[in-house]
Amino acid sequence: KNQVEQSPQSLIILEGKNCTLQCNYTVSPFSNLRWYKQDTGRGPVSLTIMTFSENTKSNGRYTATLDADTKQSSLHITASQLSDSASYICVVTLGNTGTASKLTFGTGTRLQVTL
Amino acid sequence: DAGVIQSPRHEVTEMGQEVTLRCKPISGHNSLFWYRQTMMRGLELLIYFNNNVPIDDSGMPEDRFSAKMPNASFSTLKIQPSEPRDSAVYFCASSWGPGLGRNEQFFGPGTRLTVL
Repeated sequence: KNQVEQSPQSLIILEGKNCTLQCNYTVSPFSNLRWYKQDTGRGPVSLTIMTFSENTKSNGRYTATLDADTKQSSLHITASQLSDSASYICVVTLGNTGTASKLTFGTGTRLQVTL
Repeated sequence: DAGVIQSPRHEVTEMGQEVTLRCKPISGHNSLFWYRQTMMRGLELLIYFNNNVPIDDSGMPEDRFSAKMPNASFSTLKIQPSEPRDSAVYFCASSWGPGLGRNEQFFGPGTRLTVL
Protein backbone atom coordinates (compact mmCIF):
# COMPACT_ATOMS: atom_id res chain seq x y z
CA LYS A 1 0.00 0.00 0.00
CA ASN A 2 1.33 3.43 -0.92
CA GLN A 3 1.84 5.45 2.22
CA VAL A 4 3.53 8.62 3.39
CA GLU A 5 4.43 8.94 7.05
CA GLN A 6 5.66 12.12 8.67
CA SER A 7 7.38 12.60 11.96
CA PRO A 8 7.16 14.04 14.45
CA GLN A 9 3.44 14.79 14.55
CA SER A 10 4.16 18.00 16.39
CA LEU A 11 7.21 19.93 17.46
CA ILE A 12 7.91 22.95 19.63
CA ILE A 13 11.21 24.80 19.26
CA LEU A 14 12.71 28.09 20.40
CA GLU A 15 13.10 30.91 17.94
CA GLY A 16 16.49 30.84 16.28
CA LYS A 17 16.94 27.09 16.62
CA ASN A 18 17.14 24.65 13.73
CA CYS A 19 14.84 21.69 13.23
CA THR A 20 14.37 18.77 10.88
CA LEU A 21 11.10 17.20 9.82
CA GLN A 22 10.96 13.69 8.38
CA CYS A 23 8.94 12.09 5.62
CA ASN A 24 9.12 8.37 4.84
CA TYR A 25 7.21 6.91 1.94
CA THR A 26 6.45 3.57 0.37
CA VAL A 27 5.11 5.01 -2.89
CA SER A 28 6.47 3.20 -5.93
CA PRO A 29 7.22 4.02 -8.67
CA PHE A 30 8.16 7.46 -7.48
CA SER A 31 7.74 10.61 -9.57
CA ASN A 32 8.24 13.58 -7.30
CA LEU A 33 8.01 14.71 -3.70
CA ARG A 34 6.69 18.04 -2.52
CA TRP A 35 6.89 19.86 0.77
CA TYR A 36 4.16 22.35 1.59
CA LYS A 37 3.82 24.88 4.41
CA GLN A 38 0.30 25.56 5.61
CA ASP A 39 -0.45 28.40 7.98
CA THR A 40 -3.56 28.05 10.11
CA GLY A 41 -6.65 28.97 8.13
CA ARG A 42 -4.83 29.30 4.83
CA GLY A 43 -4.05 27.18 1.80
CA PRO A 44 -0.79 25.24 1.49
CA VAL A 45 2.20 26.99 -0.05
CA SER A 46 4.76 25.03 -2.02
CA LEU A 47 8.26 25.03 -0.53
CA THR A 48 10.12 22.51 -2.68
CA ILE A 49 9.50 19.97 -5.41
CA MET A 50 12.05 17.21 -6.05
CA THR A 51 12.23 14.43 -8.59
CA PHE A 52 14.04 11.15 -7.96
CA SER A 53 17.24 12.52 -9.48
CA GLU A 54 17.47 15.44 -7.06
CA ASN A 55 18.78 14.87 -3.56
CA THR A 56 18.67 18.39 -2.17
CA LYS A 57 16.82 21.60 -2.84
CA SER A 58 16.76 24.86 -0.93
CA ASN A 59 14.26 27.64 -0.60
CA GLY A 60 15.66 30.32 1.66
CA ARG A 61 15.99 28.89 5.16
CA TYR A 62 14.25 25.69 4.07
CA THR A 63 16.33 22.82 2.72
CA ALA A 64 14.77 19.57 1.59
CA THR A 65 16.72 16.38 1.06
CA LEU A 66 15.68 13.22 -0.70
CA ASP A 67 17.11 9.70 -0.57
CA ALA A 68 15.23 7.75 -3.23
CA ASP A 69 16.99 4.54 -2.23
CA THR A 70 15.75 4.58 1.35
CA LYS A 71 12.56 6.47 0.39
CA GLN A 72 13.15 9.17 2.92
CA SER A 73 12.96 12.94 2.74
CA SER A 74 13.67 15.59 5.29
CA LEU A 75 12.91 19.28 5.57
CA HIS A 76 15.47 21.28 7.51
CA ILE A 77 14.59 24.71 8.81
CA THR A 78 17.51 26.94 9.73
CA ALA A 79 17.37 29.76 12.28
CA SER A 80 13.67 29.36 12.89
CA GLN A 81 11.36 32.35 13.11
CA LEU A 82 7.97 32.79 14.71
CA SER A 83 6.48 32.90 11.21
CA ASP A 84 7.65 29.33 10.63
CA SER A 85 4.88 28.15 12.96
CA ALA A 86 2.67 26.13 10.65
CA SER A 87 1.89 22.63 9.45
CA TYR A 88 4.32 21.06 7.01
CA ILE A 89 2.91 18.49 4.61
CA CYS A 90 4.83 15.98 2.50
CA VAL A 91 3.16 14.83 -0.73
CA VAL A 92 4.45 12.07 -2.99
CA THR A 93 3.39 11.54 -6.60
CA LEU A 94 3.30 8.01 -7.96
CA GLY A 95 4.89 7.41 -11.34
CA ASN A 96 4.39 9.76 -14.25
CA THR A 97 0.77 8.97 -15.01
CA GLY A 98 -0.51 12.16 -13.47
CA THR A 99 -3.73 10.58 -12.30
CA ALA A 100 -5.44 12.02 -9.24
CA SER A 101 -5.46 8.76 -7.36
CA LYS A 102 -1.70 8.66 -7.46
CA LEU A 103 -1.08 11.53 -5.04
CA THR A 104 -0.31 10.32 -1.54
CA PHE A 105 -0.38 12.83 1.30
CA GLY A 106 1.31 12.77 4.66
CA THR A 107 -0.68 13.86 7.69
CA GLY A 108 1.71 16.69 8.39
CA THR A 109 3.94 17.94 11.17
CA ARG A 110 2.66 20.77 13.28
CA LEU A 111 5.56 23.12 14.15
CA GLN A 112 5.36 25.78 16.81
CA VAL A 113 8.18 28.30 17.21
CA THR A 114 8.20 30.09 20.54
CA LEU A 115 10.16 32.93 22.14
CA ASP B 1 -2.05 38.78 -9.95
CA ALA B 2 -4.64 38.20 -7.22
CA GLY B 3 -3.81 34.52 -6.95
CA VAL B 4 -6.39 31.77 -6.92
CA ILE B 5 -9.77 33.14 -5.89
CA GLN B 6 -12.37 31.01 -4.15
CA SER B 7 -15.90 31.81 -3.08
CA PRO B 8 -17.56 31.71 -0.75
CA ARG B 9 -14.95 31.66 2.01
CA HIS B 10 -17.42 30.16 4.45
CA GLU B 11 -20.61 28.23 3.80
CA VAL B 12 -23.04 26.86 6.35
CA THR B 13 -25.90 24.80 5.03
CA GLU B 14 -28.35 22.16 6.11
CA MET B 15 -28.17 18.52 5.20
CA GLY B 16 -29.79 17.82 1.87
CA GLN B 17 -29.14 21.24 0.38
CA GLU B 18 -27.11 21.82 -2.75
CA VAL B 19 -23.75 23.49 -2.30
CA THR B 20 -21.71 25.13 -5.06
CA LEU B 21 -18.12 26.16 -4.52
CA ARG B 22 -16.41 28.42 -7.02
CA CYS B 23 -12.85 28.92 -8.14
CA LYS B 24 -11.01 31.31 -10.42
CA PRO B 25 -7.49 30.07 -11.22
CA ILE B 26 -4.46 32.24 -11.81
CA SER B 27 -4.58 33.73 -15.30
CA GLY B 28 -2.48 31.69 -17.71
CA HIS B 29 -2.52 28.50 -15.67
CA ASN B 30 -3.95 25.54 -17.54
CA SER B 31 -4.32 22.98 -14.75
CA LEU B 32 -6.84 23.25 -11.94
CA PHE B 33 -7.17 21.04 -8.90
CA TRP B 34 -9.87 20.58 -6.25
CA TYR B 35 -8.78 19.35 -2.81
CA ARG B 36 -10.58 18.58 0.43
CA GLN B 37 -9.01 18.79 3.88
CA THR B 38 -10.34 17.42 7.16
CA MET B 39 -8.75 16.72 10.51
CA MET B 40 -9.44 13.01 10.15
CA ARG B 41 -8.35 12.44 6.56
CA GLY B 42 -5.91 15.27 5.96
CA LEU B 43 -5.56 16.65 2.45
CA GLU B 44 -7.13 14.74 -0.46
CA LEU B 45 -7.13 15.46 -4.17
CA LEU B 46 -10.66 15.16 -5.55
CA ILE B 47 -10.29 15.96 -9.24
CA TYR B 48 -8.10 17.89 -11.60
CA PHE B 49 -8.53 19.51 -14.99
CA ASN B 50 -6.06 20.26 -17.74
CA ASN B 51 -7.09 22.73 -20.44
CA ASN B 52 -10.63 22.67 -19.00
CA VAL B 53 -10.91 18.89 -19.44
CA PRO B 54 -11.32 16.62 -16.39
CA ILE B 55 -8.30 14.32 -16.40
CA ASP B 56 -9.04 12.15 -13.40
CA ASP B 57 -11.95 12.28 -10.99
CA SER B 58 -11.13 9.08 -9.13
CA GLY B 59 -10.65 11.11 -5.96
CA MET B 60 -14.26 12.29 -5.97
CA PRO B 61 -15.88 10.52 -3.00
CA GLU B 62 -19.38 9.93 -4.34
CA ASP B 63 -21.78 10.69 -7.15
CA ARG B 64 -23.10 13.52 -5.01
CA PHE B 65 -19.95 15.40 -5.96
CA SER B 66 -19.50 16.92 -9.40
CA ALA B 67 -17.07 19.44 -10.85
CA LYS B 68 -17.08 21.49 -14.00
CA MET B 69 -14.73 23.85 -15.76
CA PRO B 70 -16.68 25.65 -18.48
CA ASN B 71 -13.76 27.91 -19.36
CA ALA B 72 -10.16 28.60 -18.46
CA SER B 73 -11.04 31.11 -15.77
CA PHE B 74 -13.78 29.39 -13.81
CA SER B 75 -14.55 26.10 -12.12
CA THR B 76 -17.24 24.84 -9.77
CA LEU B 77 -17.47 21.98 -7.32
CA LYS B 78 -21.03 20.98 -6.52
CA ILE B 79 -22.35 18.75 -3.77
CA GLN B 80 -25.94 17.63 -4.12
CA PRO B 81 -27.35 16.63 -1.70
CA SER B 82 -24.93 17.67 1.01
CA GLU B 83 -24.34 15.59 4.14
CA PRO B 84 -22.72 16.45 7.50
CA ARG B 85 -19.68 14.28 6.61
CA ASP B 86 -18.97 16.65 3.72
CA SER B 87 -17.98 19.31 6.23
CA ALA B 88 -14.40 20.24 5.41
CA VAL B 89 -12.21 22.92 3.90
CA TYR B 90 -12.22 22.74 0.13
CA PHE B 91 -9.19 24.13 -1.67
CA CYS B 92 -8.75 24.99 -5.30
CA ALA B 93 -5.26 25.15 -6.79
CA SER B 94 -3.87 25.95 -10.22
CA SER B 95 -0.61 25.42 -12.04
CA TRP B 96 1.02 25.79 -15.41
CA GLY B 97 1.59 22.52 -17.22
CA PRO B 98 -0.14 19.19 -17.39
CA GLY B 99 -0.67 16.51 -14.80
CA LEU B 100 0.93 16.17 -11.44
CA GLY B 101 4.47 16.78 -12.56
CA ARG B 102 6.94 19.11 -10.97
CA ASN B 103 4.97 22.25 -11.72
CA GLU B 104 4.26 24.32 -8.64
CA GLN B 105 0.64 24.45 -7.56
CA PHE B 106 -0.77 27.65 -6.12
CA PHE B 107 -3.58 27.22 -3.65
CA GLY B 108 -6.54 29.45 -2.97
CA PRO B 109 -7.61 30.43 0.56
CA GLY B 110 -10.18 27.65 0.72
CA THR B 111 -13.90 27.42 1.41
CA ARG B 112 -14.87 26.20 4.85
CA LEU B 113 -18.04 24.16 4.45
CA THR B 114 -20.22 23.21 7.40
CA VAL B 115 -23.19 20.95 6.78
CA LEU B 116 -25.58 20.81 9.73
